[in-house]
Amino acid sequence: AQSVAQPEDQVNVAEGNPLTVKCTYSVSGNPYLFWYVQYPNRGLQFLLKYITGDNLVKGSYGFEAEFNKSQTSFHLKKPSALVSDSALYFCATDNDYKLSFGAGTTVTVRA
Amino acid sequence: EAQVTQNPRYLITVTGKKLTVTCSQNMNHEYMSWYRQDPGLGLRQIYYSMNVEVTDKGDVPEGYKVSRKEKRNFPLILESPSPNQTSLYFCASSPPGRGLYDTEAFFGQGTRLTVV
Repeated sequence: AQSVAQPEDQVNVAEGNPLTVKCTYSVSGNPYLFWYVQYPNRGLQFLLKYITGDNLVKGSYGFEAEFNKSQTSFHLKKPSALVSDSALYFCATDNDYKLSFGAGTTVTVRA
Repeated sequence: EAQVTQNPRYLITVTGKKLTVTCSQNMNHEYMSWYRQDPGLGLRQIYYSMNVEVTDKGDVPEGYKVSRKEKRNFPLILESPSPNQTSLYFCASSPPGRGLYDTEAFFGQGTRLTVV
């Protein structure tokens, strides 16, 4: 079965510093990978996806993710974090008509 | 505005009392699904529906039922809720095609259910 893992429960960064949220995958064949964000008391919002093509994927709110096949990783990045980026982030992969999610990483950006 | 609407947003109920959480989408999506979110476990799929009258089990279907009589609605039914079903529930829909292979999913705002 396809799966993803997020090795960090929490990430803390200062505003203006680079932000990285890690995700590794275990997928047979070509992976379909996604990032979603959940703000407090809100549903999940789509950030970006990798299906095929360019290894650097650009998404919403200034986020991007790098697909690395040799390291089976799909890390989410933002060059300069904002306090408003504080949220719960989920990596996911498509798996037989469902999304299989990682456990989530809580990002806290301090002013 | 394109959206997935769940009701209620919050619900406290007692063990064994049947309840229904409604989900409605206005995007004419064929694919809909239900997830539950628990700390440290991420989101796990309960049931999904490929189209009207077509439903199938996800990873954690025990204790839940669904129906898809209309394209826009996909209610989640707990016939006899138990405390281990206390969780945050999300409904999601996505456009026609190969399910979620290459399209984003749209999520409702969630229903926080407490069973005492």
